[in-house]
Amino acid sequence: EIVLTQSPGTLSLSPGERATLSCRASQSVSNNYLTWYQQKPGQAPRRLIYGASNRATGIPDRFSGSGSGTDFTLTISRLEPEDFAVYYCQQYGSSPPGITFGQGTRLEIK
Amino acid sequence: EVQLVESGGGLVQPGGSLRLSCAASGFTFSDFDMHWVRQGTGKGLEWVSGITFTGDTYYPGSVKGRFTISRENAKNSLYLQMNSLRAEDTAVYFCARLSRGYYDLNYWGQGTLVTVSS
Repeated sequence: EIVLTQSPGTLSLSPGERATLSCRASQSVSNNYLTWYQQKPGQAPRRLIYGASNRATGIPDRFSGSGSGTDFTLTISRLEPEDFAVYYCQQYGSSPPGITFGQGTRLEIK
Repeated sequence: EVQLVESGGGLVQPGGSLRLSCAASGFTFSDFDMHWVRQGTGKGLEWVSGITFTGDTYYPGSVKGRFTISRENAKNSLYLQMNSLRAEDTAVYFCARLSRGYYDLNYWGQGTLVTVSS
């Protein structure tokens, strides 16, 4: 079973700054099927990036994903006030079948 | 427009049972794998169960043998039967649709709260 470890646990930045969030897998993620979600309080998660680097429909281009194998990164180029939230990475495994989430990174206003 | 609407949450005593439902609309339900994901208060996301479009099911060890996922394609509905509930099962439960191709959860419901307490 693949374990996803996100870092840092909390990231304190100001609007306009660049945010870099990391997701490291204990084994190689199959076909780079790595997804990033954003979650705000009281809301369901929202898909941002799928397949490691593909931006979902309606997601601003300040969000980008990169990486392959075991190391993946979500970058927010210039933080907007609405970007302060919790971010999760997720992978889908086939052996055993199932979904794994990272523990999340909280992006807070400095 | 894709919509997923969960229902059935509530307060249940430890050891009790509860059945959650998820009503799907806006897509061909029978063509997609579906999943349940939960989130305890102030905690992260935890995958609870999945069912393929062909009806194969799978679970993590934390709920295997206690939870059963099922679907009724004719009613565009997904279910989660939860037995032998424990305090640590207290959470908001989301249903979500697995995308084809990239195995991500591209649509989510708003969630239903399950509280296990005496």
